[in-house]
Amino acid sequence: GENVEQHPSTLSVQEGDSAVIKCTYSDSASNYFPWYKQELGKRPQLIIDIRSNVGEKKDQRIAVTLNKTAKHFSLHITETQPEDSAVYFCAASKGGNKLTFGTGTQLKVEL
Amino acid sequence: DSGVTQTPKHLITATGQRVTLRCSPRSGDLSVYWYQQSLDQGLQFLIQYYNGEERAKGNILERFSAQQFPDLHSELNLSSLELGDSALYFCASSGGTGSDTEAFFGQGTRLTVV
Repeated sequence: GENVEQHPSTLSVQEGDSAVIKCTYSDSASNYFPWYKQELGKRPQLIIDIRSNVGEKKDQRIAVTLNKTAKHFSLHITETQPEDSAVYFCAASKGGNKLTFGTGTQLKVEL
Repeated sequence: DSGVTQTPKHLITATGQRVTLRCSPRSGDLSVYWYQQSLDQGLQFLIQYYNGEERAKGNILERFSAQQFPDLHSELNLSSLELGDSALYFCASSGGTGSDTEAFFGQGTRLTVV
């Protein structure tokens, strides 16, 4: 089955800096790659997603890039703010099947 | 509000007991997924149902079972509970298996086994 690896597990940045979280996946048939943000004790919420026919997608301060050949995708957050502090999960799926999640990255934005 | 409803929000029970967690998917969503999140852990996939049928199975224990009913709500049954079963259990729903659609998560059920 699909295996998703996510790095780093923790990430501390200064407010205003950029943060990058990377994921690799194993199943070349995977074609949908969402990113979720989870605040403590709350449900994961989708922040951005990308499909395999697109190499990059941006939404304000957040961007995701996908390299299908290398089977990796990354989340980029620019101009980080304290409210960006949370756990971020990447995931992969094919054709709407089950999402396989990475192990999560605890992002801490320090003042 | 994601449109996915999970009940109850909190559940405290004793070891050896059996509990049922309920999930109502978003209107129109045919797929329901169950995930387990232990303290400081990631999201572990348990099982997926699509339109009433089991579609995919993860590392779900034999003591756990699930089903999806004709009205598309789903229940996760956990039996012979152990302390290690204490976790947040999330339900998510999406449009189906044939399309790449976003999965929406419910608020979760926090299960505490004492």
